[in-house]
Formats: sequence, C-alpha cells, structure tokens
Amino acid sequence: EDQVTQSPEALRLQEGESSSLNCSYTVSGLRGLFWYRQDPGKGPEFLFTLYSAGEEKEKERLKATLTKKESFLHITAPKPEDSATYLCAVRAGGTSYGKLTFGQGTILTVHP
Amino acid sequence: NAGVTQTPKFQVLKTGQSMTLQCAQDMNHEYMSWYRQDPGMGLRLIHYSVGAGITDQGEVPNGYNVSRSTTEDFPLRLLSAAPSQTSVYFCASTRPGSQETQYFGPGTRLLVL
Repeated sequence: EDQVTQSPEALRLQEGESSSLNCSYTVSGLRGLFWYRQDPGKGPEFLFTLYSAGEEKEKERLKATLTKKESFLHITAPKPEDSATYLCAVRAGGTSYGKLTFGQGTILTVHP
Repeated sequence: NAGVTQTPKFQVLKTGQSMTLQCAQDMNHEYMSWYRQDPGMGLRLIHYSVGAGITDQGEVPNGYNVSRSTTEDFPLRLLSAAPSQTSVYFCASTRPGSQETQYFGPGTRLLVL
C-alpha cells in the first residue's frame, strides 16, 4: 500500500528563519512526487513535480528536492505570506494521471 | 478560463438524504478526480475518471457514486448520507503534460446531521 508521511505536523517560524519540511514515502515504482500549497478555505494549488532522485525544482523562496525515500521542501527566508498548509503527494507506477496519494500536510506559520 | 468549478459551496444534509455535488472544468482535461479532506488525514481519493464514460474507484469509494458523460462534468453522488461523510470535498482535473499539474476546485463543505 502506498504511504506518504509528512513532518512536522506544524511548524512555526520567524520571518527570515529558513527551514525544511519533510515528506517520506513508500510507493510501488514512483511515477511522480508532487508538492501543493493550500490556503485556509481553498483548494490545493500546485507547486512542483519531481520525477527522479536527485531532481530539484525552485520557485521564489521554495526549493523541492527528491531522494529515493523522501522529499524536502526548503523554505529560504520565509515571509508571512508563505503561511499555509503544504501537501505532498505521490503517483505510483501503473496508476492513472490524477490518482494521487497524499500525506496529511504540514501547517506552516510565519510570524513577522 | 474558469478552471475547475464546484457547486454548492456549502450543504447541510440529514442522515439518509441523497445529493449530487457538481464539478465542471473548461480546460478539456481527460483526467478528473474527487477527494475528501478530513482534519489530520490529508486528501483521500474517492473516485477518478480517465475520460468520458470511464470511471474507477479510489481509496474510499463506499457510499459514493460517479459518472462521466462528458469531458467537462464529473458529478459525485451521495446515495444515502451518513454523518461519517461530513467532510470537505474537492474535485480536480489533471493535465498530463506540463508536470502533470492537477487543478483543484474551491471545494464543497458538507455537513451531515
């Protein structure tokens, strides 16, 4: 059974204090690992897709990396507007596009 | 483009009632999915579709029914609502190219009494 575990469950940072979110996964033949951002009361918003170990993607203050067992979302010099829930998901081998298994999310709060 | 739209935004049902959650997308995506989101449990896949006329079960399909008669629409039916179906429901559509971006709707918040 495919499994995705995110840690920590919640993270509080001061503005400018860099940190990382972790996503550990167990999946049969990884076809893609996805990061989403979700603001309260809204649907998740796509951030990154990673396909193979060693791959990295960047967007503004966010950088996602992938190994064979886990992915990290690094947040550099965060701002209060980066506060959100960050979701990790995987697509397993032999499964359809759009059939994702999600972790429970990390709630990030950035204080000014 | 409106993207993925969902109606209603909020609904209260009594146990045993049935209802349909509507989902539509105007991006011509073949792949569509329904998820439910509960506190501390992330998103769980209910049903998904790989094209008009083709649907399949996800992780938590019991108590839900879907059909896909057109590319644009993917309604989710609750056959006989139960309090355990109280949740926030998200519809999504996926574009296979361009990093398999999955676009989510704004959600329907359902309360079953």
